[in-house]
Amino acid sequence: AQSVTQLDSHVSVSEGTPVLLRCNYSSSYSPSLFWYVQHPNKGLQLLLKYTSAATLVKGINGFEAEFKKSETSFHLTKPSAHMSDAAEYFCVVRSYNQGGKLIFGQGTELSVKP
Amino acid sequence: DAEITQSPRHKITETGRQVTLACHQTWNHNNMFWYRQDLGHGLRLIHYSYGVQDTNKGEVSDGYSVSRSNTEDLPLTLESAASSQTSVYFCASSESTGIDEQFFGPGTRLTVL
Repeated sequence: AQSVTQLDSHVSVSEGTPVLLRCNYSSSYSPSLFWYVQHPNKGLQLLLKYTSAATLVKGINGFEAEFKKSETSFHLTKPSAHMSDAAEYFCVVRSYNQGGKLIFGQGTELSVKP
Repeated sequence: DAEITQSPRHKITETGRQVTLACHQTWNHNNMFWYRQDLGHGLRLIHYSYGVQDTNKGEVSDGYSVSRSNTEDLPLTLESAASSQTSVYFCASSESTGIDEQFFGPGTRLTVL
């Protein structure tokens, strides 16, 4: 069975400092991994996706993630946090059955202090 | 621009009532999904559809039903609303093949009193 574990339920950073949101995955097959962001009272927006083409994936708004098979990790990073980055972030793995459903981590809430 | 919409955005209902949440997408995607979002659980799959006349149960399907009469719409029905179904509901769609992202609607906040 596939699953993702987000290691922090809440991360707080100061504006201008780096962001690291941690995610470990479990999959019997080569996984398709995603990071989604949800701003307060909004829907989910895709930040980036890993589909085995390259281990370092660049997304929108300066975010990137590195797929590390040896560590079964897919951590999300950003060099410099902005106030607008404050949101809930979800690490997601795509299932190989049930219509390709998405399996979500429990989310990491990112707070950005001025 | 193509989009996915949900209505209503907010709904308050009473226990035992039947409720239908609408989802409409103009991406012309074959796959459509319904998820619910609850604190501590992330998003969980309720039902999904591969195409017209196709529906399938997800991991938390009890008390819910869907129907797919055309490509664009996948309404979610709560047969007899329960307080445990108070949640935020998200509809999503994706193309039928390949490694595709899912596009999400804005969500419906449902409160069952």
